[in-house]
Amino acid sequence: AQSVTQLGSHVSVSEGALVLLRCNYSSSVPPYLFWYVQYPNQGLQLLLKYTTGATLVKGINGFEAEFKKSETSFHLTKPSAHMSDAAEYFCAVSDRKSGYSTLTFGKGTMLLVSP
Amino acid sequence: NAGVTQTPKFQVLKTGQSMTLQCAQDMNHNSMYWYRQDPGMGLRLIYYSASEGTTDKGEVPNGYNVSRLNKREFSLRLESAAPSQTSVYFCASSVEDSNQPQHFGDGTRLSIL
Repeated sequence: AQSVTQLGSHVSVSEGALVLLRCNYSSSVPPYLFWYVQYPNQGLQLLLKYTTGATLVKGINGFEAEFKKSETSFHLTKPSAHMSDAAEYFCAVSDRKSGYSTLTFGKGTMLLVSP
Repeated sequence: NAGVTQTPKFQVLKTGQSMTLQCAQDMNHNSMYWYRQDPGMGLRLIYYSASEGTTDKGEVPNGYNVSRLNKREFSLRLESAAPSQTSVYFCASSVEDSNQPQHFGDGTRLSIL
């Protein structure tokens, strides 16, 4: 069975500072990996995904994530935080073995951005 | 450009009442999903439908039933609501391929008294 661990239920940064949100997964084979963002009272929006190829993946709003197989990690980063980045972020994995996209989510990390 | 539409957006029920949450997608996706979101728990899969005509249990199916009415619509039913089912419910859809992302609706906020 797959599992996803997001370290830190809340992360606080100042505007302009580096954002680092951590995600580690447990899977028998390298899964497909996703980061989603949820703004208040909204559904989840896809930030970026890793399936195959280049391990550094760029997404929307200046975010990127690096797949590290040896560390079973897929951490999300952004060089400079903006107030509008304040939201909850979810890491998710999809089982390569299944023919459809059932996702296992982490518990989420709330990003707080202060002026 | 609706994507995934969920109705209603908010609902308050009394314990023991029944309720059906509706979900429709206009992206011609084969697969549809129902999740519940609780504070500190992330999203947990209730049921999914890999393709029209099939449904399967997810991680937390107890107390729920689903119907894949057609390719567009996937409903979630609470037969006898319990306070433990107070949650935010999200519907999602995707193409039938595990490397493709899911597209989410805006959620139904359900309170059971």
